[in-house]
Amino acid sequence: DTGVSQDPRHKITKRGQNVTFRCDPISEHNRLYWYRQTLGQGPEFLTYFQNEAQLEKSRLLSDRFSAERPKGSFSTLEIQRTEQGDSAMYLCASSSFSFKGTALAKNIQYFGAGTRLSVL
Amino acid sequence: KNEVEQSPQNLTAQEGEFITINCSYSVGISALHWLQQHPGGGIVSLFMLSSGKKKHGRLIATINIQEKHSSLHITASHPRDSAVYICAVSVSNFGNEKLTFGTGTRLTIIP
Repeated sequence: DTGVSQDPRHKITKRGQNVTFRCDPISEHNRLYWYRQTLGQGPEFLTYFQNEAQLEKSRLLSDRFSAERPKGSFSTLEIQRTEQGDSAMYLCASSSFSFKGTALAKNIQYFGAGTRLSVL
Repeated sequence: KNEVEQSPQNLTAQEGEFITINCSYSVGISALHWLQQHPGGGIVSLFMLSSGKKKHGRLIATINIQEKHSSLHITASHPRDSAVYICAVSVSNFGNEKLTFGTGTRLTIIP
């Protein structure tokens, strides 16, 4: 397994265009998280899935953002009508979550390299 | 006030120096993470701890739950240690182990 992969690595788009990012988690991981990181800041939580179910969305995720994980494997994050403020690094992470075992054991998130979005 | 505060924001040191990066948090947590981010964006998990101390090579992480404080130490620092080090906490909320991040410490090791 090659870890968490994200595609594309870089995306430049014009304001108003739609963009879609893809994340392929580690194959046996049931949890998938999306985070956004703006320049000079730490990442911020956007949303997460357990298998195909989207269980929580941050208030940062406006109506222009939608995320899916249709078969519980890869996930897509779409931004409609992009704005310059959407320029950021979009990070995906996956983990193997189970109610069995210790909280520590189920909490390791593995990150992808991120997709850097620039909206002109 | 952010839930996770790191200090210093920037740190420049000579190769070989002992490095300490601090992290304070204000909420109850299930675990604290230290992460490394190199230019280009990818994040690597260095440590995850909920008590005591962990060591991996030249890296040591400690946590004091009562004081809500953690430190990351690097011994015999090397230019390849230059990166942004991020502290993050997970607050278990109905099973959601989402991370809340600090703003990072940019470390530069000069040869």
